[in-house]
Amino acid sequence: QKEVEQDPGPLSVPEGAIVSLNCTYSNSAFQYFMWYRQYSRKGPELLMYTYSSGNKEDGRFTAQVDKSSKYISLFIRDSQPSDSATYLCAVNSGNTPLVFGKGTRLSVIA
Amino acid sequence: KAGVTQTPRYLIKTRGQQVTLSCSPISGHRSVSWYQQTPGQGLQFLFEYFSETQRNKGNFPGRFSGRQFSNSRSEMNVSTLELGDSALYLCASRSSGVNEQFFGPGTRLTVL
Repeated sequence: QKEVEQDPGPLSVPEGAIVSLNCTYSNSAFQYFMWYRQYSRKGPELLMYTYSSGNKEDGRFTAQVDKSSKYISLFIRDSQPSDSATYLCAVNSGNTPLVFGKGTRLSVIA
Repeated sequence: KAGVTQTPRYLIKTRGQQVTLSCSPISGHRSVSWYQQTPGQGLQFLFEYFSETQRNKGNFPGRFSGRQFSNSRSEMNVSTLELGDSALYLCASRSSGVNEQFFGPGTRLTVL
């Protein structure tokens, strides 16, 4: 079993849709949860960083963590064509190497 | 504040050669980590350096090595290149005591 599982997609949605991206992880030692956005031929950009279970909101983005089921989500409201990218979830135990999901490729169609 | 910079951005080498990649972290960041990204394996951790000392190492062969200088700049070296080493090599930096890592644009290595 991989440490972090993420559906690779691709996921294609119309502009304005709500997007839901998800990851599961296997090790309960992971305490920190991140979402990165990676545009083609660019490095990953940190979008959201959370520690505890619950929701964290930043503009159109909401990160959700459920430690009891080892499940993390990223919601994008009012999706825009500029949101088209690969979204990577990452976890770690704090100051340890990041463990990444494989990434979900998202296309938002105008 | 300037972000993480990596040089060169693109590199083409042939099998058996060696290559050195460079990373300059965000000013004030003393930790530098290296990751390899391939379509098949995704992002995989190579190693982390902090204050010129290797702190963590991933599951890669000894052909992959790195070092960090006193100004926190880091280099990674891959010797005896293989076709499977073709990948995007990413460097990330973070401030000491802080968990968030910030990535550079990467160096795309192609091995022919």
